[in-house]
Amino acid sequence: ETGVTQSPTHLIKTRGQQVTLRCSSQSGHNTVSWYQQALGQGPQFIFQYYREEENGRGNFPPRFSGLQFPNYSSELNVNALELDDSALYLCASSRQGEFYGYTFGSGTRLTVV
Amino acid sequence: AQSVSQHNHHVILSEAASLELGCNYSYGGTVNLFWYVQYPGQHLQLLLKYFSGDPLVKGIKGFEAEFIKSKFSFNLRKPSVQWSDTAEYFCAVNTGTASKLTFGTGTRLQVTL
Repeated sequence: ETGVTQSPTHLIKTRGQQVTLRCSSQSGHNTVSWYQQALGQGPQFIFQYYREEENGRGNFPPRFSGLQFPNYSSELNVNALELDDSALYLCASSRQGEFYGYTFGSGTRLTVV
Repeated sequence: AQSVSQHNHHVILSEAASLELGCNYSYGGTVNLFWYVQYPGQHLQLLLKYFSGDPLVKGIKGFEAEFIKSKFSFNLRKPSVQWSDTAEYFCAVNTGTASKLTFGTGTRLQVTL
């Protein structure tokens, strides 16, 4: 079975710009969750997508948005980037109703300058 | 809202030493508990999980954890660490049917030869 793949692996953006991060879920998984991991911190839940709709959201502003596609892949969009958005963004997939833990991708390292 | 505390931020051990990493959570209801490991340059991997039953849970690579409900704790242990155990360890909690994980800030384990 394939794991979770994320692209790109690294990205540098300027404050105020917009960014899109992509994630392909593990085969057989229908739910995608996004986490932000700042340096020296644990991952923080951004939101989750199931059946192409947002299915739970953490304490992140509306400029963080996402999409899930029919093949269960997902995008994370961040508008009006701020310096504090610099972090590792992790995608995790799972099966709805059978939560035994996530499969995580390797993440996208976003640097905002 | 639930929270997770990992009090050991950085632990340095010699090979063959015993390991115990602390994890406490704050939530009064039913919880599912996880330990994830992040080896240098790799993605988060599930070490072990507790959902119900025997409070002593065995995971991969010789790790185990004990759920003590009265202490709201889920400490990770390994009798004899190896150099290859050098990594960051995250405790996480999930409540109810939601598949959101709340992570602790992590413990960086450094094993010296």
